[in-house]
Amino acid sequence: ILNVEQSPQSLHVQEGDSTNFTCSFPSSNFYALHWYRWETAKSPEALFVMTLNGDEKKKGRISATLNTKEGYSYLYIKGSQPEDSATYLCAPLPLVFGKGTRLSVIA
Amino acid sequence: EPEVTQTPSHQVTQMGQEVILRCVPISNHLYFYWYRQILGQKVEFLVSFYNNEISEKSEIFDDQFSVERPDGSNFTLKIRSTKLEDSAMYFCASSEWTGSRTGELFFGEGSRLTVL
Repeated sequence: ILNVEQSPQSLHVQEGDSTNFTCSFPSSNFYALHWYRWETAKSPEALFVMTLNGDEKKKGRISATLNTKEGYSYLYIKGSQPEDSATYLCAPLPLVFGKGTRLSVIA
Repeated sequence: EPEVTQTPSHQVTQMGQEVILRCVPISNHLYFYWYRQILGQKVEFLVSFYNNEISEKSEIFDDQFSVERPDGSNFTLKIRSTKLEDSAMYFCASSEWTGSRTGELFFGEGSRLTVL
């Protein structure tokens, strides 16, 4: 079972700020990396599934990049809004989640 | 939109009792998963299931745990003799087999288990 590290553990930003956080994972036997957004008391919502080294994916103000050779992925949020407040989880296959980065956006 | 459903939403049980948590995955999905989240801790992988057998499991998933798909629609997690530390939110998820194992997971709303 893979060891997944996410940093920072928590983050407070002002509305309008852009931010990014990191997911690190073992680069050997890589298949795919999933990013999820998890709001308290709800089930996780899939953001991206990334498979190829150099992949960049975008969904609105949120984007992600992938480096499979060095074993990391970045998630970027441009112009953070209060509704972006959630825990962002990454999970390489076999879908072992990192501890997440808890984002709080202050209006 | 199809969704994963879980029952019960909350179960309270005495230590040592058996518990069965039920999940109905999305109908055309072929991979099934159980995760749990102890309050204040990270989401932990328990087990994945494909083609009527366990494909991967974590060290948490010991002999007290079992999974089965009894009738082709339900996917159950059984805990034979619950311990206090089994108190957690248990999430079921399913994904569609894509051939490259990259299908996103769809999660249920979770079942909260409280062991007294």
